[in-house]
Amino acid sequence: EAGVAQSPRYKIIEKRQSVAFWCNPISGHATLYWYQQILGQGPKLLIQFQNNGVVDDSQLPKDRFSAERLKGVDSTLKIQPAKLEDSAVYLCASSLIETISRHGYTFGSGTRLTVV
Amino acid sequence: AQTVTQSQPEMSVQEAETVTLSCTYDTSESDYYLFWYKQPPSRQMILVIRQEAYKQQNATENRFSVNFQKAAKSFSLKISDSQLGDAAMYFCAYRTNYGGSQGNLIFGKGTKLSVKP
Repeated sequence: EAGVAQSPRYKIIEKRQSVAFWCNPISGHATLYWYQQILGQGPKLLIQFQNNGVVDDSQLPKDRFSAERLKGVDSTLKIQPAKLEDSAVYLCASSLIETISRHGYTFGSGTRLTVV
Repeated sequence: AQTVTQSQPEMSVQEAETVTLSCTYDTSESDYYLFWYKQPPSRQMILVIRQEAYKQQNATENRFSVNFQKAAKSFSLKISDSQLGDAAMYFCAYRTNYGGSQGNLIFGKGTKLSVKP
């Protein structure tokens, strides 16, 4: 099966600019996650979707970050305006509800964002 | 809130030797899952092994095995017969089993493993 697709792979922007990341999960995976991984740290959950509904966005900085998952498939994560501290790798992951605990999640290769 | 601690920022092992990566966690829950993920330079997180808290038997996957000590809240990963391809960042992760599918993964800071030829 195809994996979790993310684009772009790299992005460099100036502070105060806006940026968007795209994620296409594995077909049929109802649950989709966005994680932020700052250099030297483990990934931290930003938002979790189940189908096209938000399950958990408690750690999403809502003043500048937004995310949507239209039709319960693809998802986009947007930052506007970006700050220097937003420099990180943004990982998307998906899973089947039925096998989430047995198989964990399938992760994409992430987008590395550099804010200058 | 649950936390995961990996106290070894970096580890090194000789090819074909055995290495153990440490992980401790803090939780008041009794039903949860623990995972080890590998992250090579490609950045994709790859599941190495998982452990269900209600199972006393330690999980094994080929050259990878865990030492799960529930009372001590310890979950170490042992890699036997280390290979050059094992070099990567390794993350320990916790997931609650409460709330069904709503639990997300909580990661430690990772351990960078180097394998010397």
